Amino acid sequence: SSELTQDPAVSVALGQTVRITCQGDSLRSYYASWYQQKPGQAPVLVIYGKNNRPSGIPDRFSGSSSGNTASLTITGAQAEDEADYYCNSRDSSGNPRVVFGGGTKLTVL
Amino acid sequence: EVQLVESGGGLVKPGGSLRLSCAASGFTFSSYSMNWVRQAPGKGLEWVSSISSSSSYIYYADSVKGRFTISRDNAKNSLYLQMNSLRAEDTAVYYCAREPPSITAADFDYWGQGTLVTVSS
Repeated sequence: SSELTQDPAVSVALGQTVRITCQGDSLRSYYASWYQQKPGQAPVLVIYGKNNRPSGIPDRFSGSSSGNTASLTITGAQAEDEADYYCNSRDSSGNPRVVFGGGTKLTVL
Repeated sequence: EVQLVESGGGLVKPGGSLRLSCAASGFTFSSYSMNWVRQAPGKGLEWVSSISSSSSYIYYADSVKGRFTISRDNAKNSLYLQMNSLRAEDTAVYYCAREPPSITAADFDYWGQGTLVTVSS
């Protein structure tokens, strides 16, 4: 089955820009979706499709993709953005399943 | 307002069974595929199973295939996960998640608060 690879941890200074990446073969065929999860809470969808934000998600969150890599960019990171971020996509290996990345812990310094 | 509320979690012995439920409200449940996603303590998200809007298409992760059964009752706006032959590694918070129609991605746009399943003797 396909896998999605994320860096385990990333840090960013308050107000700066940070990019979180997600790599996998399935991303050549499918868009990645991005989720934010804070401790003790359920995940929240922050980016879907080519670069779409659900209602209520700040416009400092954006998504992009190139080849087998999808990226979530936070422009002007805020303290409240400190969280775990996960990508997912459909499995492109022939299985009609879903795969998640291992997650990236974002620390805002 | 879209709401997904899971229930049915608890402590169960290895080899035991448990049935999780997810009550949906605030949207036309019968129009959406639904999923179960789990998260072991301190670990990442793991997709478990999905079911299409009319139950025509059902898929499982290899880790649960043959042991778990997903189902839904559109008349009751409810999603279920029957878990049999439970193992210690099934210990996790189980979330139900709504999936809008898409052929280009797997967007889970609403999630429940989760229910904890602990498998231990």
